Amino acid sequence: DTAVSQTPKYLVTQMGNDKSIKCEQNLGHDTMYWYKQDSKKFLKIMFSYNNKELIINETVPNRFSPKSPDKAHLNLHINSLELGDSAVYFCASSQVTTGKRGTGELFFGEGSRLTVL
Amino acid sequence: EDKVVQSPLSLVVHEGDTVTLNCSYEVTNFRSLLWYKQEKKAPTFLFMLTSSGIEKKSGRLSSILDKKELFSILNITATQTGDSAIYLCALYGSSNTGKLIFGQGTTLQVKP
Repeated sequence: DTAVSQTPKYLVTQMGNDKSIKCEQNLGHDTMYWYKQDSKKFLKIMFSYNNKELIINETVPNRFSPKSPDKAHLNLHINSLELGDSAVYFCASSQVTTGKRGTGELFFGEGSRLTVL
Repeated sequence: EDKVVQSPLSLVVHEGDTVTLNCSYEVTNFRSLLWYKQEKKAPTFLFMLTSSGIEKKSGRLSSILDKKELFSILNITATQTGDSAIYLCALYGSSNTGKLIFGQGTTLQVKP
């Protein structure tokens, strides 16, 4: 069973379109993330949800909107796509236990490669 | 602001060589430092380091942390072509949200 799964794996679309990427984790973790990896392979956090609550919202254009219907799912919707949005988007999860030191270990999905033409 | 810098950014070696990858960091409140390997798809976990001077080892890979000098190294001995990948260093620092800050990665190519 795949621990963190995201769909679609590949997405090719035109500028100005709206698209969504879905993510599900079956690890029972309380926290989920979206990371963006650019062409230089630099991984940067975008958003994080802990038990359906948004806890990290980095400097990301408001065309990007995450939604977490429950703690096992985190989706990413992107409006009015631009060329610069082309990247690989990774979903990840971890267990961040309140009151204790979490390890920080992230479990990643296989990534969704978005190409905007 | 917490920061991670890796060096070199890329490296080409031949099978059998030993390589050392470097990761230096700046952090307000250190929790752990992690190493990941990324081949074609998702980064996969290698090591988590929390204490200085204690080597973590897995087969031909090993890693150690120096919290005084704020760096970590990842060693790979007797490299194989299957070691070709991007190696990512990540810092779990000041935030208690689980946020990892990644370095730029080191791209390692091992030639036959």
